[in-house]
Amino acid sequence: AQKVTQAQTEISVVEKEDVTLDCVYETRDTTYYLFWYKQPPSGELVFLIRRNSFDEQNEISGRYSWNFQKSTSSFNFTITASQVVDSAVYFCALSESNNNDMRFGAGTRLTVKP
Amino acid sequence: DVKVTQSSRYLVKRTGEKVFLECVQDMDHENMFWYRQDPGLGLRLIYFSYDVKMKEKGDIPEGYSVSREKKERFSLILESASTNQTSMYLCASRPGGLATYNEQFFGPGTRLTVL
Repeated sequence: AQKVTQAQTEISVVEKEDVTLDCVYETRDTTYYLFWYKQPPSGELVFLIRRNSFDEQNEISGRYSWNFQKSTSSFNFTITASQVVDSAVYFCALSESNNNDMRFGAGTRLTVKP
Repeated sequence: DVKVTQSSRYLVKRTGEKVFLECVQDMDHENMFWYRQDPGLGLRLIYFSYDVKMKEKGDIPEGYSVSREKKERFSLILESASTNQTSMYLCASRPGGLATYNEQFFGPGTRLTVL
């Protein structure tokens, strides 16, 4: 069965610090997709990134970067030079190729203090 | 612009009431989903629908039912609300049939309190 673990329940940093959010997944499928979503205080989940299981290239988008490692079944998310607007709950999610269900982790609440 | 809307942001109901949560998407997506979000548990799937009049149970369907009479609308029904159904309810849609590589688009959520 597919499973996603976000062991960090809450993280608090001071503005401009770098922060990494961990995500570990389990799946028996060889084809699967990993996602990160951001949930700001307004409540609506916002899609950030998708990675498929055949593409282990790391991705950078501005201050955001993602490290996908199949060997450790991890898909970690790093925010460089954090800002107050980064404060949100972040969810990692897994979708298998033959399963309509997307499995979410419990989420990590990030607070960035000025 | 992609849009998923939910009928209410906040709702307060009494135990035993029948509750309808409505979700509408304007993107012509085949798939629609209902989740509930509770602290420490993340999002848990209640039901999803991959086509009009089609539905599949998720992880926690007990106490809920759904209706999808039109492609754009997916309703979640609490037949007899109970206090343990107090939660945030999130609706989502996804394009592409069985293309599970596509991201889901979420509505703003409905925070339901059952007294």
